[in-house]
Amino acid sequence: EIVLTQSPGTLSLSPGERATLSCRVSQTVSRSSLAWYQHKPGQAPRLLIYGTSKRPTGIPDRFSGSGSGTDFTLTISRLEPEDFAVYYCQQYGGSPLTFGGGTKVEIK
Amino acid sequence: QMQLVQSGAEAKKPGSSVTVSCEASGGKFYSYAISWVRQAPGQGLEWMGGIIPLFGTAKYAQTFRGRITITADKSTNIASMELRSLRSEDTAVYYCVRGLKYHYEVGDLEDAFDIWGQGTMVTVSS
Repeated sequence: EIVLTQSPGTLSLSPGERATLSCRVSQTVSRSSLAWYQHKPGQAPRLLIYGTSKRPTGIPDRFSGSGSGTDFTLTISRLEPEDFAVYYCQQYGGSPLTFGGGTKVEIK
Repeated sequence: QMQLVQSGAEAKKPGSSVTVSCEASGGKFYSYAISWVRQAPGQGLEWMGGIIPLFGTAKYAQTFRGRITITADKSTNIASMELRSLRSEDTAVYYCVRGLKYHYEVGDLEDAFDIWGQGTMVTVSS
């Protein structure tokens, strides 16, 4: 099973600041097989990024993804109030599909 | 735009079974992979298994093999997940989710998930 380790566990930032979230994978995954989700309490998760760096229609361009091999990053260029949430990475290059433990982005 | 609407909350006793259903509207449900993902209280997301309704063969995470059955009915656009021999650790919100890729032929169902159901809370307690 491919294990995803996200860091930091919690990120305390102010609106307008830049957020950098890390996802380390236990074995190399294809760049086409890494996704990021945003999850707010009481809501279903929302797909932000797939294929390491692709944004689905409707996702603001302040969200960007990068990385390769075993190290991947989600960057939120300028935090908006609605961006404070938990973020998960997911690999879908191998079975079982697995998720990271999440990074909580909280208001400082 | 396809929507996934799940059945309502369930309260179950340990050892019993639960079936959660997921009805798709607004699109060709049967050519997309439908998976089930759960989140226990205070925990992360866990993939349980999935199916491409067009082809009918389900795939399960090893953790659940032997206790889970995922089915899909192409005629009704409904997918279902049955989990048996429930224990307290199965208390969670269960989501049905749609994979990104449209399948024209048999293929892997591993995918990112672009559409999520609203979630179904399953509580297992004596």
